[in-house]
Amino acid sequence: KNEVEQSPQNLTAQEEEFITINCSYSVGISALHWLQQHPGGGIVSLFMLSSGKKKHGRLIATINIQEKHSSLHITASHPRDSAVYICAVRSLETSGSRLTFGEGTQLTVNP
Amino acid sequence: DTGVSQDPRHKITKRGQNVTFRCDPISEHNRLYWYRQTLGQGPEFLTYFQNEAQLEKSRLLSDRFSAERPKGSFSTLEIQRTEQGDSAMYLCASSLRGGGYTDTQYFGPGTRLTVL
Repeated sequence: KNEVEQSPQNLTAQEEEFITINCSYSVGISALHWLQQHPGGGIVSLFMLSSGKKKHGRLIATINIQEKHSSLHITASHPRDSAVYICAVRSLETSGSRLTFGEGTQLTVNP
Repeated sequence: DTGVSQDPRHKITKRGQNVTFRCDPISEHNRLYWYRQTLGQGPEFLTYFQNEAQLEKSRLLSDRFSAERPKGSFSTLEIQRTEQGDSAMYLCASSLRGGGYTDTQYFGPGTRLTVL
């Protein structure tokens, strides 16, 4: 079992739909990241969370440390949101700040 | 553009050849990470440096792989005697380790390696 599990693996939505991507992890963490990866490989950090909730534009990320669960929400989705969304954690059990990644969720938003 | 650059962006090589990739981090960042990502999977940690010291290596980093960061700035990742299983995207990230946990990693565009 992977230390970081995401669901769903693939998600297709219509423009303007509200989208939720889930991430569960099995280790103690100091931080959780949500990342966006576009075709071609480039990864952009969207959020880093250690508690509570963060909002940036149409994106909202929440984390429940007790339940070891985080969600990424996209409101009023748009075709340009189509990308792979990756959850990654910084484990308390590893040194440095290296990240352990989920397998990603491929999001396709149709016009 | 995150400020982290990688070169080359694409590399096609024949099995058995050696390849070297370069990563230039954001200039003031003291931490540099290498990750590998195969198709349809999330990235996997390979190694990381704090300044010029290589502090951790994954079990994924076989003895055919070597990484250096000689002056604490750019880093190179070399794969000797490449195998088809080495085909992947090699990602570099950098961060600034300071007070607190802010340590956000900034990723480069990656080098896509294809071993024929």
